[in-house]
Amino acid sequence: DAGVIQSPRHEVTEMGQEVTLRCKPISGHDYLFWYRQTMMRGLELLIYFNNNVPIDDSGMPEDRFSAKMPNASFSTLKIQPSEPRDSAVYFCASSPGNTIYFGEGSWLTVV
Amino acid sequence: AQKVTQAQTEISVVEKEDVTLDCVYETRDTTYYLFWYKQPPSGELVFLIRRNSFDEQNEISGRYSWNFQKSTSSFNFTITASQVVDSAVYFCALSEAPGANSKLTFGKGITLSVRP
Repeated sequence: DAGVIQSPRHEVTEMGQEVTLRCKPISGHDYLFWYRQTMMRGLELLIYFNNNVPIDDSGMPEDRFSAKMPNASFSTLKIQPSEPRDSAVYFCASSPGNTIYFGEGSWLTVV
Repeated sequence: AQKVTQAQTEISVVEKEDVTLDCVYETRDTTYYLFWYKQPPSGELVFLIRRNSFDEQNEISGRYSWNFQKSTSSFNFTITASQVVDSAVYFCALSEAPGANSKLTFGKGITLSVRP
């Protein structure tokens, strides 16, 4: 079975540019999560959805970040404008109701 | 507030040694879930185990075993006869009721290096 699929795997962009990270959750999973991993802060939850509806976005750092889930099989995390401090690994994860399974991550570098 | 503490930051062992990774948690909930994830050098996060707060039975899966002690709020992970492929960062995590789908609070992770 396919796991959580994220794209791009690696992205290098210039400060000020818009960045869009994409995620396809595991089919049948009702929950979708976006996490960010940095050396300083470790793994932190940004936002999560249940049945395509955002449930908790308290972890979204600021208005430059936005996330959408237009349907059960697709979600995006957008950063506009990007800043060097946004450099991190962004993980998408999904869950059927008990265990959270993570994608391979999108490694973002903002220069 | 929930908190997960992994006091060990780095552990280095020689292959075939046993190693225990410690995890201590704090929560006010009576129902909660505990997890361990592995992050190998390639970067992905791999689910290892989930345990709910009502199940204190220890679990063994091959060379891996987990010891859950509510009395000490600990959920420790032991690798028996470690192998080089076990080298990774290991995260303990906690989520609160009503289900395992609520926010996961992660510890800082333990970097395990297994030398040949």
